[in-house]
Amino acid sequence: EVHLVESGGGLVKPGGSLRLSCAASGFSFSSYSMSWVRQAPGEGLEWVSSITTSNSDIYYADSVKGRFTISRDNAKNSLYLQMNSLRPEDTAVYFCAASEVAPGSFDYWGQGTLVTVSS
Amino acid sequence: DIQMTQSPSTLSAFVGDRVTITCRASQSISNWLAWYQQKPGKAPKLLIYKASSLESGVPSRFSGSGSGTEFTLTISSLQPDDFATFYCQQYNTYPRTFGQGTKVDI
Repeated sequence: EVHLVESGGGLVKPGGSLRLSCAASGFSFSSYSMSWVRQAPGEGLEWVSSITTSNSDIYYADSVKGRFTISRDNAKNSLYLQMNSLRPEDTAVYFCAASEVAPGSFDYWGQGTLVTVSS
Repeated sequence: DIQMTQSPSTLSAFVGDRVTITCRASQSISNWLAWYQQKPGKAPKLLIYKASSLESGVPSRFSGSGSGTEFTLTISSLQPDDFATFYCQQYNTYPRTFGQGTKVDI
């Protein structure tokens, strides 16, 4: 059974940093492109960043470019999101998602981790 | 960026109703479109990929159609478990973009 489990969320002050992790199991992690998608409270879904299977291609939403860094460790079946210079508008539940093919839909999703940016 | 526009934003329906949700892309995305269902406090769930392919395990009452810029999600007979918010998403180009969502309620 596929499992994606996010961790690392919490309360952080504006300008602060946070590192999210996503632990994958139940599928061939190294064969899947991985992404982060966020959802602000009461709002819709917003794509944040994607990374291909071998780290060869990385993409970011303009809203996070230069502040967030996506990475993966295929040996540890893990996905990461380093978030720096956090802003109140970054407050959201952050989901990790897996795509089997490229280009691909988001086939599997984690349960999400809440990031709150507030003073 | 490709804008995705869903209609309606809210839909009131009854069990057994046939429900159709429309998604329009601001430029052609071929058939690189997915539909997701999300219930409150839960992660989205993939229903349809490549505009019309049913994800494994998804009930056959869900179907998708369209190509280019116009797409539809149809639920042939609404069931109590289907009351949720539905999102379309294009994966033709980056940035990936979602529609604003359609909430289906009673």
